Amino acid sequence: DAKTTQPPSMDCAEGRAANLPCNHSTISGNEYVYWYRQIHSQGPQYIIHGLKNNETNEMASLIITEDRKSSTLILPHATLRDTAVYYCIVIIQGAQKLVFGQGTRLTINP
Amino acid sequence: EAGVAQSPRYKIIEKRQSVAFWCNPISGHATLYWYQQILGQGPKLLIQFQNNGVVDDSQLPKDRFSAERLKGVDSTLKIQPAKLEDSAVYLCASSLQLYTEAFFGQGTRLTVV
Repeated sequence: DAKTTQPPSMDCAEGRAANLPCNHSTISGNEYVYWYRQIHSQGPQYIIHGLKNNETNEMASLIITEDRKSSTLILPHATLRDTAVYYCIVIIQGAQKLVFGQGTRLTINP
Repeated sequence: EAGVAQSPRYKIIEKRQSVAFWCNPISGHATLYWYQQILGQGPKLLIQFQNNGVVDDSQLPKDRFSAERLKGVDSTLKIQPAKLEDSAVYLCASSLQLYTEAFFGQGTRLTVV
């Protein structure tokens, strides 16, 4: 059962902010939002996760709406190396396995 | 910090042959996962270990796939006999504890001809 909905593909210009949306309208109170990305020919890479507050790390920012039904991953200054498939995953931390959907294929254009 | 190591990187075999993949997780990581990724799809979990015990193998085709993690560190995934539909990238991942952030290896690309 798909817990998240993501657009299949997006484009962004190099140097601009890339905003990747994710809908998770059935999220429960103890489920976290995780983001991973997969660059071509590599394994998935953890980016960030959050419960209800906005989070920021060296890679990205995660904005979760107040009702927690959707979120946005923000790459503030996208580079060509950010071209990848981005997966939004909703799980109970420490209690559920990581299940990947189709993700969003993000292409950064020069 | 060394990442998750996998070998071989690529493998081509004929159908009905057998093949084995090896994974060395990040030191100290108790949990190890094997995923299968078919071209154009997201990774699918095959099996996960907590130390040397199997936690979940519900998606592992047990008639042909087997996996072990004998000493709670390295793991091997075997396919015998291989079918054409087993062509995929096999990813190994590890995490400090069950269901925490997972770190993935580069994968083994298997082609069955």
